[in-house]
Amino acid sequence: DAGVIQSPRHEVTEMGQEVTLRCKPISGHDYLFWYRQTMMRGLELLIYFNNNVPIDDSGMPEDRFSAKMPNASFSTLKIQPSEPRDSAVYFCASRYEWGRGHTEAFFGQGTRLTVV
Amino acid sequence: LAKTTQPISMDSYEGQEVNITCSHNNIATNDYITWYQQFPSQGPRFIIQGYKTKVTNEVASLFIPADRKSSTLSLPRVSLSDTAVYYCLVGDRDSSYKLIFGSGTRLLVRP
Repeated sequence: DAGVIQSPRHEVTEMGQEVTLRCKPISGHDYLFWYRQTMMRGLELLIYFNNNVPIDDSGMPEDRFSAKMPNASFSTLKIQPSEPRDSAVYFCASRYEWGRGHTEAFFGQGTRLTVV
Repeated sequence: LAKTTQPISMDSYEGQEVNITCSHNNIATNDYITWYQQFPSQGPRFIIQGYKTKVTNEVASLFIPADRKSSTLSLPRVSLSDTAVYYCLVGDRDSSYKLIFGSGTRLLVRP
């Protein structure tokens, strides 16, 4: 498996534009996570899905952010309208459930978003 | 979720053993302890997970005392490529699904 694939790797956009980040999780994984990382706030969990259903979106900063998972192999994180403070690296991660505890999550390479 | 406390940063030299301790005083009975590593410009990567006593894999060892209120990640003979941020996560089956990362420990390995 090629791992978690995110696209684009880099995105530069103007304030007010719509931005869509994409993620392809590892096949067979039933959990998908979206994170945002900045120097000031560290690695923040935005939302996670289980079997394509959003379970917890309490980390989504505001209504400008939305995430979807239309099927097991694809998810999007959309920001509309984008603002300069949204500039960050956005990571997608996936994992599967087995037994107790906490199995390892696999992260994508991230999308570096710059809003000017 | 159990709160974790780690040193903000650590320095070491190549070839030394590095031990990073994480405090989790309010760890619950069902909680597991998991460590991730993050290199610059990359996503975090799973290193090791444990519940009690000692766990060892090809990358690191994890020591957990009987009271489980802390844990120590041990990296044997570090190299420059071990320079990274190391995160300690604590959670049970339900809470750990959320994979909440703290500030981590920034390890710098010097030549």
